[in-house]
Amino acid sequence: GEDVEQSLFLSVREGDSSVINCTYTDSSSTYLYWYKQEPGAGLQLLTYIFSNMDMKQDQRLTVLLNKKDKHLSLRIADTQTGDSAIYFCAETRKGGSYIPTFGRGTSLIVHP
Amino acid sequence: DVKVTQSSRYLVKRTGEKVFLECVQDMDHENMFWYRQDPGLGLRLIYFSYDVKMKEKGDIPEGYSVSREKKERFSLILESASTNQTSMYLCASRSGQSYEQYFGPGTRLTVT
Repeated sequence: GEDVEQSLFLSVREGDSSVINCTYTDSSSTYLYWYKQEPGAGLQLLTYIFSNMDMKQDQRLTVLLNKKDKHLSLRIADTQTGDSAIYFCAETRKGGSYIPTFGRGTSLIVHP
Repeated sequence: DVKVTQSSRYLVKRTGEKVFLECVQDMDHENMFWYRQDPGLGLRLIYFSYDVKMKEKGDIPEGYSVSREKKERFSLILESASTNQTSMYLCASRSGQSYEQYFGPGTRLTVT
């Protein structure tokens, strides 16, 4: 199976919360990231979490890490149309060259 | 702000042509990367470089080569372009001390 898995699409209504999920396989993952790609642009780091943390909050964004289940989630509160983008989950591993392994990306569509 | 620029946003080439994609970063980063992005497949690493004149193969190097003669510039070369190399190409850079990759806006290459 793939190293990092995420669903391909998520559709939400403006103002609702969005939850994008990701699973990874390697228990030695040290950093876990969420990147955002807006239409026609490159990827931009949105937030990250170290593997020794369970949760990280940054304004409307909440990252939850369940190490036992190797599950990472990104919650966006009060989702806006400007949040429409592709969100990539990524991880890097201990002892490696810190080259991230990316998931396939989740397209978030926010409709009025 | 870190800036990663790519020489073209859109490029159309014919099968068999030699294609050069250029990437320049202005933050003195040691590490530079080339990815291709295809719908439903996410980002796949083609090549990376951790120093001038150094290069390492990524996950899908076949049909590609790279050149890094100066620290700020990393070139991706398609020796003989084929239609299955039609894709979005993303360049990224990263400081050796950091976990965050900075991406360029991408080059959408079409090979006809």
